[in-house]
Amino acid sequence: KNEVEQSPQNLTAQEGEFITINCSYSVGISALHWLQQHPGGGIVSLFMLSSGKKKHGRLIATINIQEKHSSLHITASHPRDSAVYICAALLIKAAGNKLTFGGGTRVLVKP
Amino acid sequence: NAGVTQTPKFQVLKTGQSMTLQCAQDMNHEYMSWYRQDPGMGLRLIHYSVGAGITDQGEVPNGYNVSRSTTEDFPLRLLSAAPSQTSVYFCASRRQTYTVAFFGQGTRLTVV
Repeated sequence: KNEVEQSPQNLTAQEGEFITINCSYSVGISALHWLQQHPGGGIVSLFMLSSGKKKHGRLIATINIQEKHSSLHITASHPRDSAVYICAALLIKAAGNKLTFGGGTRVLVKP
Repeated sequence: NAGVTQTPKFQVLKTGQSMTLQCAQDMNHEYMSWYRQDPGMGLRLIHYSVGAGITDQGEVPNGYNVSRSTTEDFPLRLLSAAPSQTSVYFCASRRQTYTVAFFGQGTRLTVV
């Protein structure tokens, strides 16, 4: 079992819908990153958080360290939000501050 | 422009050839790393560096070498390319432990 699990693996939504992507981890972490990878392949960092909630535009990320769970929400989704979303955890035990990645969630937003 | 510059974007190699993937950042980041991304496998760490002169192995280091002679540059060398090294490679950097990561544009490598 991977230490960082994402769900769902694939998600299709209609434009305007509210989208939630989940990331759970089985070991202690000190921070968690949310990344976005567009069909062209480039990876962009959306958030890094270690507690609470962060918001940027229509994107909201939350984390509950004790419950070992983080969510990424997209409000009023748009076709340009279609991408793969990846969570990456900074494990407390990790030597060299390495990130452990989830498998990604492929999101398709239809017009 | 500030950011992580990764070259080349595409490369085709013959089995047994060697090559170097270049990665440079101009943000004075301490931490740099190389990942490969394969279908169904997600991002896997090849090598990483926590500062100039310091490198260490990740999950899948075999067949790759790195060096970090300056803060800015972190090249990845394929010593003798194999078809199993066909992948998309990403370089990433971040300033410290608890800061966002910046990724290069990726290199799509095919070994025939």
